[in-house]
Amino acid sequence: DAEITQSPRHKITETGRQVTLACHQTWNHNNMFWYRQDLGHGLRLIHYSYGVQDTNKGEVSDGYSVSRSNTEDLPLTLESAASSQTSVYFCASSRAENTEAFFGQGTRLTVV
Amino acid sequence: DAKTTQPTSMDCAEGRAANLPCNHSTISGNEYVYWYRQIHSQGPQYIIHGLKNNETNEMASLIITEDRKSSTLILPHATLRDTAVYYCIVRVAGDGGKLSFGAGTTVTVRA
Repeated sequence: DAEITQSPRHKITETGRQVTLACHQTWNHNNMFWYRQDLGHGLRLIHYSYGVQDTNKGEVSDGYSVSRSNTEDLPLTLESAASSQTSVYFCASSRAENTEAFFGQGTRLTVV
Repeated sequence: DAKTTQPTSMDCAEGRAANLPCNHSTISGNEYVYWYRQIHSQGPQYIIHGLKNNETNEMASLIITEDRKSSTLILPHATLRDTAVYYCIVRVAGDGGKLSFGAGTTVTVRA
């Protein structure tokens, strides 16, 4: 079955380190998204992509970057991890704009 | 995107219908109503969406008022596995699929 997978599921890193979270989908979806969710809050959009070589900033993009070199993957990079970036990160994909989005299981990132 | 208002929490008895309200009084003509839910520690899951007609699928029904200013998600026979946070999201067509999540409604299904 097609799916969307995130790795790692859990990560602890130190302040100032560069961290990359992986997101891989096998549906051949054009649209991919990264969200973060802090305790007791809804999800907030970090970055998104509508296709290969396309990337866009969301509402909380500072300190994050993404790249889209193929359809299947949208890695999220924290350039210099900060404690404020401790959160659960969710990746999602969708075929087109008016279709459902499929979410990964999340990556719990702790910055110490 | 239009803002949505949902109750913070609600309880429901197992086996009964759960009716989840959502107010979106500033919705415009090209905005869809989407519902997602998030079971504890998991990624959000799509439930249903609609523009102005009522919709039904294997998970739920969506009732949108004629003026489109509010809607109700109906889980026809709630089970314990339906305990989750339910998000009502209004989205304009043409935004590429971005979702703007609020705080949602925490639904607890009790045996």
